[in-house]
Amino acid sequence: DAGVTQSPTHLIKTRGQQVTLRCSPKSGHDTVSWYQQALGQGPQFIFQYYEEEERQRGNFPDRFSGHQFPNYSSELNVNALLLGDSALYLCASSFGLVEQYFGPGTRLTVT
Amino acid sequence: GDSVTQMEGPVTLSEEAFLTINCTYTATGYPSLFWYVQYPGEGLQLLLKATKADDKGSNKGFEATYRKETTSFHLEKGSVQVSDSAVYFCARGNQAGTALIFGKGTTLSVSS
Repeated sequence: DAGVTQSPTHLIKTRGQQVTLRCSPKSGHDTVSWYQQALGQGPQFIFQYYEEEERQRGNFPDRFSGHQFPNYSSELNVNALLLGDSALYLCASSFGLVEQYFGPGTRLTVT
Repeated sequence: GDSVTQMEGPVTLSEEAFLTINCTYTATGYPSLFWYVQYPGEGLQLLLKATKADDKGSNKGFEATYRKETTSFHLEKGSVQVSDSAVYFCARGNQAGTALIFGKGTTLSVSS
């Protein structure tokens, strides 16, 4: 049974560019959450998708947007990249609300 | 707002030593509580959880008890191994139960 998968593994972008990160949830899971983990910090909640709708959003600007597809996979888009957006982006899936399972993350570097 | 506070690291131990990593949480609502572990270069793995007061979560020799009276969820292990070296994160569910609120993490380094 495949766990949560994310792509790409690493990404380097320039300030002002846009980026799309992808996530496939664990089999049987219908809910996808995205987190940002800055170096040396705990993950911070960005938003959660369920039934192709954004269910809840953390304290992140509108430059961060997402999408969930009918097969439950999800994308995270970040526009107008800033140096401070450099982080590990983690996707987590769950069935229902509790007990989230995390993918390996995408390391984004903004130069 | 809701938050989780963990003891600062790094924690450095010798193999077979006893481990305690302290974690306290803000007491709003009745959140589920979790410990996650992150090995170098990897994502987070769920280590254990507890969903109500006095519950004890356990896995791979690690234990934590949900203490409502002290708003704590301390992680313990009786005998650590070198392979336990990692970053440990305490987390609580938010009030809606939709997201996790993490502490800053505690780095554990175990030497042989």
